[in-house]
Amino acid sequence: DIQMTQSPSALSASVGDRVTITCRASQSISSYLNWYQQKPGKAPKLLIYAASSLQSGVPSRFSGSGSGTDFTLTISSLQPEDFATYYCQQSNSSPSTFGQGTRLEIK
Amino acid sequence: QVQLQESGPGLVKPSETLSLSCAVSGYSISSGFYWGWIRQPPGKGLECIGSIYHSGRTYYNPSLKSRVTISVDTSRNQFSLKLSSVTAADTAVYYCARHFRAAAGPLDYWGQGTLVTVSS
Repeated sequence: DIQMTQSPSALSASVGDRVTITCRASQSISSYLNWYQQKPGKAPKLLIYAASSLQSGVPSRFSGSGSGTDFTLTISSLQPEDFATYYCQQSNSSPSTFGQGTRLEIK
Repeated sequence: QVQLQESGPGLVKPSETLSLSCAVSGYSISSGFYWGWIRQPPGKGLECIGSIYHSGRTYYNPSLKSRVTISVDTSRNQFSLKLSSVTAADTAVYYCARHFRAAAGPLDYWGQGTLVTVSS
């Protein structure tokens, strides 16, 4: 299986901050990388697919980049509703695997 | 609007079989896409269990393959999960979701999730 490693595991930030979360794959996955947001007690929500494509209805402050093994999710200006846990997922090969998550907390 | 809804027992005894169904509305499973099961142990991360196409073609996570069966009923527009010989380690919130683009592709629509506890 392809291992996905996110960093940091937790992050404290303030409203208005620019935040970047990193995801590294254990082998090349081309651009088959997706990002999700999960709030407590809720299902994950797809934000970004194919490394940099914004899912319909997702605010443009979210963006993704990268290819091969290294990827980033950037939130350009944090809003109160963005405090949540973020997961990356590789969809290059089955079984699809997720990173361990990054918890974004209010500073 | 595509909607998915999981159903099934919330409590399963050790060594028994966990059975869940996912009813899909707003989209016909026969029209395409893969449909998958994902689980999340309390306080932990996400794990893909497997997925199925309307033709019945399946992909399973090798770590669970010996215990998992995913099936589809296109007439009822639903798909199902069976996980045998469960232990406490199988306690988790189980989600059903739609993969778009491929069998292991991005998951664009999710059910709300259902907590299954394995305990005697």
